[in-house]
Amino acid sequence: GEDVEQSLFLSVREGDSSVINCTYTDSSSTYLYWYKQEPGAGLQLLTYIFSNMDMKQDQRLTVLLNKKDKHLSLRIADTQTGDSAIYFCAAMDSSYKLIFGSGTRLLVRP
Amino acid sequence: DTAVSQTPKYLVTQMGNDKSIKCEQNLGHDTMYWYKQDSKKFLKIMFSYNNKELIINETVPNRFSPKSPDKAHLNLHINSLELGDSAVYFCASSLNTGPPDGYTFGSGTRLTVV
Repeated sequence: GEDVEQSLFLSVREGDSSVINCTYTDSSSTYLYWYKQEPGAGLQLLTYIFSNMDMKQDQRLTVLLNKKDKHLSLRIADTQTGDSAIYFCAAMDSSYKLIFGSGTRLLVRP
Repeated sequence: DTAVSQTPKYLVTQMGNDKSIKCEQNLGHDTMYWYKQDSKKFLKIMFSYNNKELIINETVPNRFSPKSPDKAHLNLHINSLELGDSAVYFCASSLNTGPPDGYTFGSGTRLTVV
């Protein structure tokens, strides 16, 4: 089955760019997602990308997909303290289940 | 006005008790889910219902029983609670079973078994 992996922690300075990386194993996954979880809250969908796309940009967020390497990244430009949260990568597998990575905790230092 | 609402937000109970968590969505979505998030923040799907029909049932102890009285509600009943059931349980919904619609999540129910 699908397995999604992420690094656990990222620390950046306010105003810098953040890049959160994710790898997945199932090449048949057609949609890949990024979710944000703030403390004590549920998961908020940030963006998603279809597997026939290489890149998707939405304001400060840029998603890059390397389908050959099964690698997904989320770049946050001009990172703010309000961006501090846990970011989850997720892949929709062939049975339409959304499989999540372990989450990357982003800490933005002032 | 909350899109996916869960109750209660916090639940503290003793081992061996039976408890229920309720979930309601007002988005008109057809599919609802239960996810469990453990202490390391790992999220694992438990169940999925589409129009009141069970479509995903992961390897979950049969002490956990979902019930969907209509497509806007998906409740989770847990019998004989164990310490290992302590986690945050998230309800979610989506328009269809397939992509591309992402899931809309509730704010979670933190269950603590003592």
